Amino acid sequence: SQTIHQWPATLVQPVGSPLSLECTVEGTSNPNLYWYRQAAGRGLQLLFYSVGIGQISSEVPQNLSASRPQDRQFILSSKKLLLSDSGFYLCAWSVLTSGPGELFFGEGSRLTVL
Amino acid sequence: AQSVSQHNHHVILSEAASLELGCNYSYGGTVNLFWYVQYPGQHLQLLLKYFSGDPLVKGIKGFEAEFIKSKFSFNLRKPSVQWSDTAEYFCAVKESGSARQLTFGSGTQLTVLP
Repeated sequence: SQTIHQWPATLVQPVGSPLSLECTVEGTSNPNLYWYRQAAGRGLQLLFYSVGIGQISSEVPQNLSASRPQDRQFILSSKKLLLSDSGFYLCAWSVLTSGPGELFFGEGSRLTVL
Repeated sequence: AQSVSQHNHHVILSEAASLELGCNYSYGGTVNLFWYVQYPGQHLQLLLKYFSGDPLVKGIKGFEAEFIKSKFSFNLRKPSVQWSDTAEYFCAVKESGSARQLTFGSGTQLTVLP
C-alpha cells in the first residue's frame, strides 16, 4: 500500500534561517506531488505541485521554493525564513494529473518562525 | 478560477443531533467533489468523493453528501453525530479531466458536545 511521510513534524526556526521540509511517498511510481499550507480559518492553499522529476509549478509568489530531486521525494525550502512563513505545511500526492484528483496527505509539519 | 465556499466556520452540536455542512463552488463545468476530515492531531483524510453517477454519495462513518448541480452545492450530512465526529471538515473541488489541482474551502470546525 502507498504511504507518505513528511518530516520534521515540528520546527522552530529564527527569522532569516534556512528551511528544508521533506516528503517521500512509498508504494507508487510517478506520483503527482503537492505542498499545501494550512492556516486557521483559511483552508488549504496550494503552494507548489510537481508532475515529474525536476518539474515544479508554483501557485503563489512567496519566499519558498520546492524541488523534486527524485521521483518520490518532494522538498520545500527557503533560504531565509520570514515571520509570515509560520504555518502548517502539508505534503500530498495523487495518481494522475487528469484523473479524479483524490489527494492523500502526509501528517504535516508545523513551522514556527521566531 | 474556481472557488469553494464553506459558509459555516464553526458548528456546535449535541450528540445525536443531525448535521449538515454547506459547500458551494463556482465553476460551470464538470467537477469532481470531495469532503476531507481532519480529526484532532491527525492528518487530513478523505471522507467521501463524487465523480459521476448517483449524486447522493455515501462515505465513511455514516456521512453522506448530495451533489446538486443546479445549486453548485455538495453539502455534507449525517443523521446523528457522535462526540468522535469532532473535527475540521474541508470541502474541495477539481475540474473533471483537468490538470488543475484541488481547490479547498476554508473549512468548518465541528464540535460535538457529549
